Amino acid sequence: AQSVTQLDSQVPVFEEAPVELRCNYSSSVSVYLFWYVQYPNQGLQLLLKYLSGSTLVKGINGFEAEFNKSQTSFHLRKPSVHISDTAEYFCAVEDSGYSTLTFGKGTMLLVSP
Amino acid sequence: DAGVIQSPRHEVTEMGQEVTLRCKPISGHNSLFWYRQTMMRGLELLIYFNNNVPIDDSGMPEDRFSAKMPNASFSTLKIQPSEPRDSAVYFCASSFAGPGNTIYFGEGSWLTVV
Repeated sequence: AQSVTQLDSQVPVFEEAPVELRCNYSSSVSVYLFWYVQYPNQGLQLLLKYLSGSTLVKGINGFEAEFNKSQTSFHLRKPSVHISDTAEYFCAVEDSGYSTLTFGKGTMLLVSP
Repeated sequence: DAGVIQSPRHEVTEMGQEVTLRCKPISGHNSLFWYRQTMMRGLELLIYFNNNVPIDDSGMPEDRFSAKMPNASFSTLKIQPSEPRDSAVYFCASSFAGPGNTIYFGEGSWLTVV
């Protein structure tokens, strides 16, 4: 079974600072990778996904992620965060042949003024 | 377009009672998923339906949990009898079946068993 590791459970950052949320996955085959965001008391919303092609993927709200096959990583970045980016961020990998997602434990991004 | 619709949004029930959570997937989607979210275990896949047929229920915790999808527009997750350790947020999600397709989540059903 595939697994996803999000190395940081919480990332505090000041408004307008850059941020990187780390994600590593375990897989010996080609994978599809996703980042979802969960705002307080809401469901999960897709930020971006990597299927193939360019390793740099751009998503909504100014976020981007880079797929690194050799390091089995898919880190999420934003050059300048806003208070409204405060939320929990989940990295996920699609299980081969199933179309289901295995999620990491999540990283809480806390943006303060 | 309406997203995935779940009900109830919040439920508080006593231990031993039956709980039924309901889900209406996005129209046209043929895959449906039930996930459970807790602080300790994060997001866990409970069961996955494709074209109304359960494909993988290996995540269902035990016999107290059951899920049905009688038609393409409705699914239920039932817990009988409920226990305090079942307290969690239960998410329903749907998608078009196929590799790499986006899975869309509902707002969740927040269950508290006292």
